Amino acid sequence: SAVISQKPSRDICQRGTSLTIQCQVDSQVTMMFWYRQQPGQSLTLIATANQGSEATYESGFVIDKFPISRPNLTFSTLTVSNMSPEDSSIYLCSVRESPGATDTQYFGPGTRLTVL
Amino acid sequence: QKEVEQNSGPLSVPEGAIASLNCTYSDRGSQSFFWYRQYSGKSPELIMSIYSNGDKEDGRFTAQLNKASQYVSLLIRDSQPSDSATYLCAVKPYNTDKLIFGTGTRLQVFP
Repeated sequence: SAVISQKPSRDICQRGTSLTIQCQVDSQVTMMFWYRQQPGQSLTLIATANQGSEATYESGFVIDKFPISRPNLTFSTLTVSNMSPEDSSIYLCSVRESPGATDTQYFGPGTRLTVL
Repeated sequence: QKEVEQNSGPLSVPEGAIASLNCTYSDRGSQSFFWYRQYSGKSPELIMSIYSNGDKEDGRFTAQLNKASQYVSLLIRDSQPSDSATYLCAVKPYNTDKLIFGTGTRLQVFP
């Protein structure tokens, strides 16, 4: 499977600031996704990052709060804007390597964000 | 109604026993089903995927799927303390690329 890295691995930020999280894959992938995992909770999909076009956001998530870029088939960024303590979560990038029979998603190591 | 349901546990089993983890889902058209393991502080790692009714075995792990009952399970044979983790069930609903995750079952294997 593809090797996925995320930067930063963790950060502590002040309320009202923004943080950009990077996701890098060692091979071209068809789909990239961003998830949030709040403390003690399961994974919730924020959006699907589309190469060369605007991301597709899930209900409850908006572009102004979570702008996403995907300039090519190996890289994506998620920005958490105007942060509040409620944004403290683990943010995970996942990839789906190829279309067809397998829908498997593989996850990056995650970014642990604490907002004070 | 939650789309993917799991018992949160903890499920405690002795070392060497069989651990049975269960998951139900609401979208009858779902075609793809996954089990992920997540250690504390780590990201989810894929254990098994299953697409057809019946059993699929991989080492000590067996995934079971029953689409008529909208039920998928994971059996872990010869459970080891290193299997202690949260197990997440994920379902890909019909005509969508996203995965819906259950809340996870915490498994504890004691020596």
